[in-house]
Amino acid sequence: AQSVTQPDIHITVSEGASLELRCNYSYGATPYLFWYVQSPGQGLQLLLKYFSGDTLVQGIKGFEAEFKRSQSSFNLRKPSVHWSDAAEYFCACYFFDYKLSFGAGTTVTVRA
Amino acid sequence: GAGVSQSPSNKVTEKGKDVELRCDPISGHTALYWYRQSLGQGLEFLIYFQGNSAPDKSGLPSDRFSAERTGGSVSTLTIQRTQQEDSAVYLCASSLGRQGEKLFFGSGTQLSVL
Repeated sequence: AQSVTQPDIHITVSEGASLELRCNYSYGATPYLFWYVQSPGQGLQLLLKYFSGDTLVQGIKGFEAEFKRSQSSFNLRKPSVHWSDAAEYFCACYFFDYKLSFGAGTTVTVRA
Repeated sequence: GAGVSQSPSNKVTEKGKDVELRCDPISGHTALYWYRQSLGQGLEFLIYFQGNSAPDKSGLPSDRFSAERTGGSVSTLTIQRTQQEDSAVYLCASSLGRQGEKLFFGSGTQLSVL
């Protein structure tokens, strides 16, 4: 069955430190891949997406993600986090069935 | 409109009451989606509309949940006889055509069932 897994429920990181959020999918081919961010009280905002081509994708707010076919992964990274990066992050996949399927989300806390 | 609009932004109701949640998609978007976001559960797909038709209602958790869309635009999600486990954020999204990969989300309705 198709699925999206975010193994980390909660991550705490110091301001200025690097951040990596994990995402794995289960599917018989390569889906379209997305990362969304949801700040407190806000709607979902698209950070970046991967359809094909270069496996390192640049997004907004200084985020990037790398697609690894061999690991069925699409991990999100940021070299240096800011306090404003505290939010919930969702990985999503489009399995070519007209809808996005989401992972359970990872909550990021940034400590000073 | 400029974006996907949802109302109300917050709804508090008593167990057993019916509630209606409204979604106004981006003008011209033929596809409309409802998702539910429960604490720690991610976004759970509820229903998909293409125009006024709902080809996929598979995500509706029970027969207390229903949705309709009129004029290919506004959609209403109705929950009858609300239960405490219905408490969640209900998100609406729209897209052009059958482009599930290009969703635009509203800010959601926070439903609290007491």
